[in-house]
Amino acid sequence: DTEVTQTPKHLVMGMTNKKSLKCEQHMGHRAMYWYKQKAKKPPELMFVYSYEKLSINESVPSRFSPECPNSSLLNLHLHALQPEDSALYLCASSRVSGSDEQYFGPGTRLTVT
Amino acid sequence: GDSVTQMEGPVTLSEEAFLTINCTYTATGYPSLFWYVQYPGEGLQLLLKATKADDKGSNKGFEATYRKETTSFHLEKGSVQVSDSAVYFCALRSGGSNYKLTFGKGTLLTVNP
Repeated sequence: DTEVTQTPKHLVMGMTNKKSLKCEQHMGHRAMYWYKQKAKKPPELMFVYSYEKLSINESVPSRFSPECPNSSLLNLHLHALQPEDSALYLCASSRVSGSDEQYFGPGTRLTVT
Repeated sequence: GDSVTQMEGPVTLSEEAFLTINCTYTATGYPSLFWYVQYPGEGLQLLLKATKADDKGSNKGFEATYRKETTSFHLEKGSVQVSDSAVYFCALRSGGSNYKLTFGKGTLLTVNP
């Protein structure tokens, strides 16, 4: 099984809402990632978790709050977002090694109104 | 710092034409190199990878060779199909405990019947 799953597929939220994105993998990977991708751009790294601990935060605003409850699950909690946060949010996972590839999920298309 | 430069396109080809998408990189040490493909409305899929100089990655008729002397990892396919229409991203990952993937800007390929 080389699949990373993400829910929901699409999400529309107002600027005062609180919502969460969910990511799951069962490949035994111990590194998990959140990326943000705007249209016609490459993905931009937001957060990296290694062994369930946050190891990289790419200066992401606090309205995005990641959580890694266990080695298979990664959440991204959203609160008080802005319209410019509308994007495709991608989750990825990898073994913990410098040469290993990252496996990406299909993404959640987020629209902030 | 690390960087990846790839031809931005868009690239438009007829079915069965030969494809080359150029990719060059700048990195410290000996990075691993990747090509990812993103079909419309989907997440990224790993297409192929190479982890050391002179390695050739191949998958689904696509090939790329890790050339340390020219710091390049050009993507090639001998005969493209309409189903190959997608955005292609070249990426590198430096070794050690660095989890970051550095992406090129992406190349949109359109294959016409």
